Order: sequence, then structure tokens, then C-alpha cells
Amino acid sequence: GDSVTQMEGPVTLSEEAFLTINCTYTATGYPSLFWYVQYPGEGLQLLLKATKADDKGSNKGFEATYRKETTSFHLEKGSVQVSDSAVYFCALRGGTNAGKSTFGDGTTLTVKP
Amino acid sequence: NAGVTQTPKFRVLKTGQSMTLLCAQDMNHEYMYWYRQDPGMGLRLIHYSVGEGTTAKGEVPDGYNVSRLKKQNFLLGLESAAPSQTSVYFCASSSGETLNTEAFFGQGTRLTVV
Repeated sequence: GDSVTQMEGPVTLSEEAFLTINCTYTATGYPSLFWYVQYPGEGLQLLLKATKADDKGSNKGFEATYRKETTSFHLEKGSVQVSDSAVYFCALRGGTNAGKSTFGDGTTLTVKP
Repeated sequence: NAGVTQTPKFRVLKTGQSMTLLCAQDMNHEYMYWYRQDPGMGLRLIHYSVGEGTTAKGEVPDGYNVSRLKKQNFLLGLESAAPSQTSVYFCASSSGETLNTEAFFGQGTRLTVV
């Protein structure tokens, strides 16, 4: 079946540091890939997505590129802010079970001033 | 601009009690999902529905039942609550037209079973 593996957290960074959160996936076919963010006490919300190989999703300074050859979708941001502190989930949709999304376990990011 | 609305937001149950969580979406989405979120375990799919009148089991369906009598509503039932069902429950919905659309989540229901 489909699976998503995220780099384990928690991750603690200083403000303005560079962020990378690794995500790799296993799926049949050509899934779409997503990053969701969950702020404290809230539900998940879409951060960015990519729907085919070599697509780059971007939003709020975050970027991720769909790499089919390495089955990866790593999240990056050049300069994090305290307000980026949240849990980040990598997800795919459209693999083996087309009607479902498959989520990674989430990576907690804390940014200190 | 409601999106996905879950009720209630918080609930405390005694072991053996029953309850129903309601999820309502106003986006005319075909697909709806119930997840539970536990520390260190990410999101686990309980049940899902690909359209009105349909339901299917996810990863962790035991102890839960669901119904989708109306397209906009997806109910999650606990017939006999157990402490292991203490969790945060999230409902989500997504469009069925294309599979590259994202899921929209509710705010969550924090359930404690004592």
C-alpha cells in the first residue's frame, strides 16, 4: 500500500535559520503530493502541493519539489520565523487507494527568537 | 465561509458510554474522512466515504461506526467508549472530481474517555 515517511522531529531552529523537512513516499501510479501545516489547537491546512513530477509547490516562503526519481517531496524554507512553529505533515493522494489521502506522522517545528 | 464544521469541540465520556460526532461540510465535496490524531502517531484514518450512502473502513475502524445519509454530513459513532479512544478526532472532506485536490479539515474534537 501507499506510505509516507517523514523525518523525525522535533526540530528546533533559531529565527532566520534554513529549514529542511525530509519526506519520501511509496505509491503506485502518479500520486499528487501535499504539505499540510497544523498550528496549535487547530486543524490541518494546506501549505502547498505538487501534482506531477518536477513540479514545485510554493507558499509563504516554503517550497517543495516533486522528485519522482527519488520519490521525495522535501519541504524547505530559507529563513524561518517564530510564527512558523507548527506541526508539518507530508501527504499523498491518488496512489493505490485513489479515494484516500495518506499522511506522514508529522514533524514538529519550534522556532526560537 | 464555514468549510468543514465539527461538533462538539470537546467531550468527556465515561467508559461504556456512547456518542456521535458530527461533521458537516458546505463545499459539495464527494469524499469525507474521519481521522484520529494521537501523540507520536500522526493521523490515522478511521473510516471514509466516497459519496452519499457509502462508507469504507480505514486503518483503525474497530470500535467506530459511520454513516453518510446526506452528502454534506458524515457521522462518527462510538457505541461503547473505551479509554483507548481518547484522542483528537478530525473530519476532512475533498472533491471527487480530480484527485489532486487537497483535503479540508475541521477544527477537531478533543475526546477524553475516563
